[in-house]
Amino acid sequence: QVQLQESGPGLVKPSQTLSLTCAVSGASISSDDYYWNWIRQAPGKGLEWIGYIHYRGSTFYKPSLKSRLTMSLDTSKNQFSLNLKSVTAADTAVYFCARSDYPSLYFDLWGQGTLVSVSS
Amino acid sequence: DIQMTQSPSTLSASVGDRVTLTCRASQTITTWLAWYQQKPGKAPKLLIHDASSLQSGVPSRFSGSGSGTEFTLTISSLQPDDFATYYCQQYKSYSNTFGPGTKLEIK
Repeated sequence: QVQLQESGPGLVKPSQTLSLTCAVSGASISSDDYYWNWIRQAPGKGLEWIGYIHYRGSTFYKPSLKSRLTMSLDTSKNQFSLNLKSVTAADTAVYFCARSDYPSLYFDLWGQGTLVSVSS
Repeated sequence: DIQMTQSPSTLSASVGDRVTLTCRASQTITTWLAWYQQKPGKAPKLLIHDASSLQSGVPSRFSGSGSGTEFTLTISSLQPDDFATYYCQQYKSYSNTFGPGTKLEIK
């Protein structure tokens, strides 16, 4: 059974960097068959796709976040990560990691999500 | 970006009702569309992909149809577990986008 689990600080100060990790169990992230994604949901709002990474190193980020965003993966730990710099209160959200098939980009598996608040 | 809209924003219905939710894209997305169900405090769950393909394990009372710019999700007979918020998502473009959601409430 494949599972995804997000982890990271629940509180980040404005202008600092938000860093999250998604641990994958039950499947290898070193697969040509999948993209590994981050999606967020501000409190009471809808879903916003942030970006994906493929194990061969290709990434694609939402254009409006591209200048602040970096994704990486660690095949030895079977996990992937998100770094979003220069955060503001607008980045407060539940952050989900999710898997999508290559080349389709619908999300068939999700982590439970982790709330990150940006506040001083 | 391709913009997605959903209607209605809220729908009140009763157990046993047949309901149809609508999703529209700002430009053609052929059948690159998925539907998700989300309950409070939970991650979304994939119901339908490629506009009409039922995801494994999803009850057959859920069905999807449409192509181009207009799509529907139909629940043939509402069950208590179906009251949730439903989102559509286009993935024609790499910069995929979600609709704002339809909240399905108990009447």
